[in-house]
Amino acid sequence: QSALTQPASVSGSPGQSITISCTGTSSDVGGYNYVSWYQQHPGKAPKLMIYDVSKRPSGVSNRFSGSKSGNTASLTISGLQAEDEADYYCSSYTSSSTRVFGGGTKLTVL
Amino acid sequence: EVQLVESGGGLVQPGGSLRLSCAASGFTVSSNYMSWVRQAPGKGLEWVSVIYSGGSTYYADSVKGRFTISRDNSKNTLYLQMNSLRAEDTAVYYCARDQGLNFGYWGQGTLVTVSS
Repeated sequence: QSALTQPASVSGSPGQSITISCTGTSSDVGGYNYVSWYQQHPGKAPKLMIYDVSKRPSGVSNRFSGSKSGNTASLTISGLQAEDEADYYCSSYTSSSTRVFGGGTKLTVL
Repeated sequence: EVQLVESGGGLVQPGGSLRLSCAASGFTVSSNYMSWVRQAPGKGLEWVSVIYSGGSTYYADSVKGRFTISRDNSKNTLYLQMNSLRAEDTAVYYCARDQGLNFGYWGQGTLVTVSS
């Protein structure tokens, strides 16, 4: 049950786009379309932003999008805004019926 | 409106036990997959356990044999019984609705501190 691999930090200026990667194995990310992404602001509970690789829950801005290629999933945020500054986590269902998270990525809006 | 409210956290000595509760409203716990997720201070999210609507349960290797997930259908409440607690179990514990194999709803979390 190794954690998925995410970059520790990414940054971008307002209006720019950034992409956060999430690398797993064929037993999790690569094997299922059950990758989800979460946004967490300090002291708050995580919030679902993307599910099933690329679907957005109701109420989530269309500036957030997700994709997957092989064992790597990606979250793209376009038109960066100050409020997007937060920690982001990916998660995947696994072949053992467990779930696994990535280590988290701190997004800084410059 | 879906709501999840955790309780039961606190300070416990190493080797001790604690039972966390997660009271749900707005949906039926027994008809959904429900998970516990924890976050150690300053660290990332770690999945802990899931209980399926059919009753099957699964655990992270780090807690297997020490933690037990369960539910009380009459109280619409999810539980996590934690035994043989270690310092590394110190974390905020969240319950989350795991339906669709994603965590669509989260509670506010309850802090568990394992220390002598």
